[in-house]
Amino acid sequence: DAGITQSPRHKVTETGTPVTLRCHQTENHRYMYWYRQDPGHGLRLIHYSYGVKDTDKGEVSDGYSVSRSKTEDFLLTLESATSSQTSVYFCAISDDEASEQYFGPGTRLTVT
Amino acid sequence: GNSVTQMEGPVTLSEEAFLTINCTYTATGYPSLFWYVQYPGEGLQLLLKATKADDKGSNKGFEATYRKETTSFHLEKGSVQVSDSAVYFCAHLDPGGTSYGKLTFGQGTILTVHP
Repeated sequence: DAGITQSPRHKVTETGTPVTLRCHQTENHRYMYWYRQDPGHGLRLIHYSYGVKDTDKGEVSDGYSVSRSKTEDFLLTLESATSSQTSVYFCAISDDEASEQYFGPGTRLTVT
Repeated sequence: GNSVTQMEGPVTLSEEAFLTINCTYTATGYPSLFWYVQYPGEGLQLLLKATKADDKGSNKGFEATYRKETTSFHLEKGSVQVSDSAVYFCAHLDPGGTSYGKLTFGQGTILTVHP
């Protein structure tokens, strides 16, 4: 299995608070991705990174920001959490943008 | 735009039955195609892939063939087991246009296999 960890694995937070989710990889892959999974929608891309300090938006980026200061870490921040951001968040990595992606175990976030 | 459409679930089968989960796609170029599997409480695992037309991906008894003429990548298994119960996602990675490097997923198909 690819060495990908996510933290925390579960979080409950209140509306309006900032939340940061962390993805850590030990594979030295260049590309990292954040997805959210919601019933009936499959997985949707939030943001991705193609190198240290190089990031771009996905299809559902509103309300989210990311940072990548080291190859191994990719942070997802919800600037002011809303109930619509209750979801399961997955990080993924790949060594090439044309190759398959490997997924972390996920973070279940509940915004009350 | 790019999209992936999977057959509606849930799918319920008896052990040793034949499985087909349909998947069709739209893309601007010639995408790579994937099937991922998600077991309860876990992340997605790559099940199989195909990178060009007529390629057949296979793993753990599952197979899927890249059909460019019908833009399809249907998942099949000849004899399912209870342990195959999971959610299955079809996805494509489009090498063309603004979607380069971005996986597009179907909505997922829940499979339940009974003894």
